[in-house]
Amino acid sequence: QSVLTQPPSVSAAPGQKVTISCSGSSSNIGNNYVSWYQQVPGTAPKLLIYQNNKRPSGIPDRFSGSKSGTSATLGITGLQTGDEADYFCGTWDLSLSAGYVFGTGTKISVL
Amino acid sequence: QVQLVESGGGLVKPGGSLRLSCAASGFTFSDYYMSWIRQAPGKGLEWVSYITSSGSTIYYADSVKGRFTISRDNAKNSLYLQMNSLRAEDTAVYYCARDSPRGWDYFDYWGQGTLVTVSS
Repeated sequence: QSVLTQPPSVSAAPGQKVTISCSGSSSNIGNNYVSWYQQVPGTAPKLLIYQNNKRPSGIPDRFSGSKSGTSATLGITGLQTGDEADYFCGTWDLSLSAGYVFGTGTKISVL
Repeated sequence: QVQLVESGGGLVKPGGSLRLSCAASGFTFSDYYMSWIRQAPGKGLEWVSYITSSGSTIYYADSVKGRFTISRDNAKNSLYLQMNSLRAEDTAVYYCARDSPRGWDYFDYWGQGTLVTVSS
């Protein structure tokens, strides 16, 4: 039972821009950094964005992240067929059942 | 390069036990906090457990508390997950993941995963 809410799916044509929202609360997103992970079907998740808006080495600047209050957003510009994957946000939760929480996941389809 | 390789998955009956291992290489294992994260078939990611670099602090998800035990052997560069009293809902691919250099932040490297199936 994820405590971070994402839209189930997003689709767009190649070259277009998409955004994925991640909604949480003050016990998680509101007081912690947000990360984003990309998972191509059949493979392990890969870190895409960390500390709200930083990209690991090798991740193109087409991918961007932002955070405001208790929500975060992943943006992808110049959409490519290789971007078809599931995307998950994640952060630590400070509530009684403390632990790391992931978003519900969003599948990006390139039309 | 950083590598995490899980092993130990398989088919087990409800109520049974299984021990997963994660062999780490390419970095100083004893410097990093580590986690187990799982993904049920067709579902999202669920964090399972976390252990600090020395093993002194451990956290579990409520769904596995009292049944799973995380541990590590820094001399062997290995992370473990002992799973007891397994249930059908524990069926998932289990990933080990490395936490960021400062800890309590993001997971920068993941293993390829090992499948655990709990079924009679």
